[in-house]
Amino acid sequence: QKEVEQNSGPLSVPEGAIASLNCTYSDRVSQSFFWYRQYSGKSPELIMSIYSNGDKEDGRFTAQLNKASQYVSLLIRDSQPSDSATYLCAVFSGNTGKLIFGQGTTLQVKP
Amino acid sequence: SQTIHQWPATLVQPVGSPLSLECTVEGTSNPNLYWYRQAAGRGLQLLFYSVGIGQISSEVPQNLSASRPQDRQFILSSKKLLLSDSGFYLCAWSVMAGMSSPLHFGNGTRLTVT
Repeated sequence: QKEVEQNSGPLSVPEGAIASLNCTYSDRVSQSFFWYRQYSGKSPELIMSIYSNGDKEDGRFTAQLNKASQYVSLLIRDSQPSDSATYLCAVFSGNTGKLIFGQGTTLQVKP
Repeated sequence: SQTIHQWPATLVQPVGSPLSLECTVEGTSNPNLYWYRQAAGRGLQLLFYSVGIGQISSEVPQNLSASRPQDRQFILSSKKLLLSDSGFYLCAWSVMAGMSSPLHFGNGTRLTVT
């Protein structure tokens, strides 16, 4: 089992829809969770951090964390073509003391 | 505000040649510094991290090395490049000890070994 798993996609949604990106992790003592956006050929850009169970909203983005289910998600409301990118989930493992990245989910927002 | 500079942006090197990639951070002191590699279509692989001057931890056995000669400077080197060293090299920094705080990435160096 991979430490951080994401569906590679591509996830295709129409413009204006809600995009839902999911991530599961294996380390039960994970403490910090991050979502990065990576445009093709560019470096990852931090878009959300979440540390406690529940929802955290920032503009059109909502991160959701459920530690009991070892699940973190990112919702993008009113998706725009400019949101088309690969989204990386990163989890800080309390056991290893390392930040583990998932392989990323490619999102395509179609006009 | 903090900024991270990484250069060069692209590099084409022949097999067996040396490598030196440099990264500097501005606007913060005592950052944690990291080198990652991202092979085409693959995830991020942590190569090295540093919590202070002269302190380097290596994550993956390879023909690469890293050095931190100054607080905000991180250098990735190789004496002889292999074809398998091709990839997108990313420098990153964070403010806290360990990795519980988010990483902030530089713009990356795309290395092609021919």
